[in-house]
Amino acid sequence: QKEVEQDPGPLSVPEGAIVSLNCTYSNSAFQYFMWYRQYSRKGPELLMYTYSSGNKEDGRFTAQVDKSSKYISLFIRDSQPSDSATYLCAMSYQAGTALIFGKGTTLSVSS
Amino acid sequence: KAGVTQTPRYLIKTRGQQVTLSCSPISGHRSVSWYQQTPGQGLQFLFEYFSETQRNKGNFPGRFSGRQFSNSRSEMNVSTLELGDSALYLCASSPGATGNEQFFGPGTRLTVL
Repeated sequence: QKEVEQDPGPLSVPEGAIVSLNCTYSNSAFQYFMWYRQYSRKGPELLMYTYSSGNKEDGRFTAQVDKSSKYISLFIRDSQPSDSATYLCAMSYQAGTALIFGKGTTLSVSS
Repeated sequence: KAGVTQTPRYLIKTRGQQVTLSCSPISGHRSVSWYQQTPGQGLQFLFEYFSETQRNKGNFPGRFSGRQFSNSRSEMNVSTLELGDSALYLCASSPGATGNEQFFGPGTRLTVL
């Protein structure tokens, strides 16, 4: 079993839809949880950063961490064509340790 | 504040050669991590440097090495290149002392022929 599982998609939605992206993980020692967005031929861009459990909101983006279920989510409200990208979840045990990434979910938002 | 910069952006090498990639972190960041991204394996951790010391290392062969300078700039070297080393090599910087927010550069795309 891989440490971090993420459905690769692709996921196609119409403009304005609410998008839900998810990752599951196997190691309960993970404490830091991140979501990155990566456009084609670019480096990943940090979207959300969460320590331990709970919710965090930033504009149209909401990140949720449920450590009891080993499950994290990213919600995108009012999705836009510019949100079309690959979304990567990442997590780590402690500061200074490696990020363990999911394989990424490809999202396409059509206008 | 300027982001993470990586040079060169593209490289083409042949099997058996060696290559050096460079990364300049965000000003004030002391931690630099390197990752390899391929379509099959996704993003995989290579190593992390903090204050010129390698703090963590991933599961890659010894052909992959790195170093960090006193100004936090980092280089990674791959010797005896193999076809399977073709990938996007990404550098990420972090403040390093606490927390783990990592900010990525645009990457160096290495093609091995």
